[in-house]
Amino acid sequence: DSGVTQTPKHLITATGQRVTLRCSPRSGDLSVYWYQQSLDQGLQFLIQYYNGEERAKGNILERFSAQQFPDLHSELNLSSLELGDSALYFCASSSRDTSLRGNEQFFGPGTRLTVL
Amino acid sequence: AQTVTQSQPEMSVQEAETVTLSCTYDTSESDYYLFWYKQPPSRQMILVIRQEAYKQQNATENRFSVNFQKAAKSFSLKISDSQLGDAAMYFCAYRRRNNDMRFGAGTRLTVKP
Repeated sequence: DSGVTQTPKHLITATGQRVTLRCSPRSGDLSVYWYQQSLDQGLQFLIQYYNGEERAKGNILERFSAQQFPDLHSELNLSSLELGDSALYFCASSSRDTSLRGNEQFFGPGTRLTVL
Repeated sequence: AQTVTQSQPEMSVQEAETVTLSCTYDTSESDYYLFWYKQPPSRQMILVIRQEAYKQQNATENRFSVNFQKAAKSFSLKISDSQLGDAAMYFCAYRRRNNDMRFGAGTRLTVKP
């Protein structure tokens, strides 16, 4: 158990809809990262938050947005869903200490999104 | 931009034998970290081994070891005494300090009994 939790585990919805994925980082971790993994693909970085502030953006569509709340949990909002958005969405967290462990990312179990 | 390349989409190994998974990366940075993650059918991302770029000594974790060639930007994973439970997708990943991770496309490892 990595200590990172994600809800829900599975989500099935229709095209055009909007969904929210939730992530709680490990206790004390200030950084949260979101990744998308399409079928049999590697993980693609979407966005990073650090202590409530957006820190970096990757290949995130304009239809997607995220935020990190004062309690450090994060939400990824996906709107106007398309069939191609079906994927596994991972959240990861890390601390900011200077040791190697501070540079390790701990992954949640993922949310599997199916768009029909 | 940093890119990570895994040139072997699939590999297979006989149980108890040794297999090496390849990974190359492209970066102009000198301070970075490299990781191998395992993704079994459960899809959970499990850290296998990690390497700091400034360390010349290759990392080892039980049956897993790496061959880190910094000048060649190569970071291969060797699995010794392969077990059925090693069957999974393996992802090589690169990370600069406190930045996001860049992943390769993965290598699917099959272990034959």
